[in-house]
Amino acid sequence: EAGVAQSPRYKIIEKRQSVAFWCNPISGHATLYWYQQILGQGPKLLIQFQNNGVVDDSQLPKDRFSAERLKGVDSTLKIQPAKLEDSAVYLCASKPKGHYGYTFGSGTRLTVV
Amino acid sequence: AQSVSQHNHHVILSEAASLELGCNYSYGGTVNLFWYVQYPGQHLQLLLKYFSGDPLVKGIKGFEAEFIKSKFSFNLRKPSVQWSDTAEYFCAVNAGSGGYNKLIFGAGTRLAVHP
Repeated sequence: EAGVAQSPRYKIIEKRQSVAFWCNPISGHATLYWYQQILGQGPKLLIQFQNNGVVDDSQLPKDRFSAERLKGVDSTLKIQPAKLEDSAVYLCASKPKGHYGYTFGSGTRLTVV
Repeated sequence: AQSVSQHNHHVILSEAASLELGCNYSYGGTVNLFWYVQYPGQHLQLLLKYFSGDPLVKGIKGFEAEFIKSKFSFNLRKPSVQWSDTAEYFCAVNAGSGGYNKLIFGAGTRLAVHP
């Protein structure tokens, strides 16, 4: 079974620039998550999708972050404009609906300079 | 509010030493608990999980964890660590209901095992 694919693996941008991350979950997984993992901290949930609908985006900084999952499969997370404090690893995870088998991608390491 | 607390941020051990990493949670619903490991440069991998039943859970690579409901704890243990156990370990609680579950993570414990 293929894992959760994320790209790019690494990204370096200047503050105030925009950036986008892509995630392809495991086929058939209805639920998709984006987590932010700042160095020295545990992953923090940014947004949760069930198919193409948002279930929880309470911790998403909506003034600069946006995410979509238009066809209920792939998802993109965008930051515009980026700030220094956005430097982190952005993790995508997916699981089947009603199941507890979370699968994580390798993440995208973002450095904002 | 739902939260997970990991007591030790950094642990340094010699090979063959015993390991215990603390985890306490705060969650009012049905508790599902997890330990994940993240090796350098790799993705999060599930070590073990507790849903119900025997509070002593055995996972992969010789790890085990004990759920103590009265202490709201789910500590991770390994009798004898190896250099290859060097990694970051995260405790997590599954929160939510109605199928809309999510993982809430602790801050993690970075383990370094010296040969």
